[in-house]
Amino acid sequence: AQSVTQPDIHITVSEGASLELRCNYSYGATPYLFWYVQSPGQGLQLLLKYFSGDTLVQGIKGFEAEFKRSQSSFNLRKPSVHWSDAAEYFCAGVRVTGGGNKLTFGTGTQLKVEL
Amino acid sequence: DTAVSQTPKYLVTQMGNDKSIKCEQNLGHDTMYWYKQDSKKFLKIMFSYNNKELIINETVPNRFSPKSPDKAHLNLHINSLELGDSAVYFCASSQEEAGGKNEQFFGPGTRLTVL
Repeated sequence: AQSVTQPDIHITVSEGASLELRCNYSYGATPYLFWYVQSPGQGLQLLLKYFSGDTLVQGIKGFEAEFKRSQSSFNLRKPSVHWSDAAEYFCAGVRVTGGGNKLTFGTGTQLKVEL
Repeated sequence: DTAVSQTPKYLVTQMGNDKSIKCEQNLGHDTMYWYKQDSKKFLKIMFSYNNKELIINETVPNRFSPKSPDKAHLNLHINSLELGDSAVYFCASSQEEAGGKNEQFFGPGTRLTVL
């Protein structure tokens, strides 16, 4: 089945440290992949997306992600984390069906930032 | 000038009641969605409407009935509420494109608590 997996439920990093959130996908063809962030009590905001081309994509808030076909991964990175980055992060992929495009989410990774 | 808005933000009700959640988008998109986020933060699509027509209907109990009076609105009516319906419900919209590249914009969510 086409899906995305986020192996880490919780991650804690110190402010100023680098961050990498893992996402693995299982799609037959080149998938369309997204990273969303959900701040406490808020809706989801798109950080970045990958369709094709350059495998390193830049997003908002200083985030980037790298698509690695050989590892079926689309990990999210940030070189220096800020306390305001504490949130829930979701990786998602689009499953194209005859009945519409379905965005399938991973289970999320909760990021805590220590001051 | 909120892009995707939902009302109410919080909804507390008794088992067996019928309730509705409203969603409106002012982005001019042709596709709207309802997602359910459970207590473990898992997000799952429930319905999708394109130009007022239902195109995705996941395995959702028929107590849930979406209604789209026009392209900008997608309401969710829930009959005979059960404890398991307690969750956060997110509305989203996008401009549908074959392949699913377009970003979905999410509303702030409605936290439903069934007592």
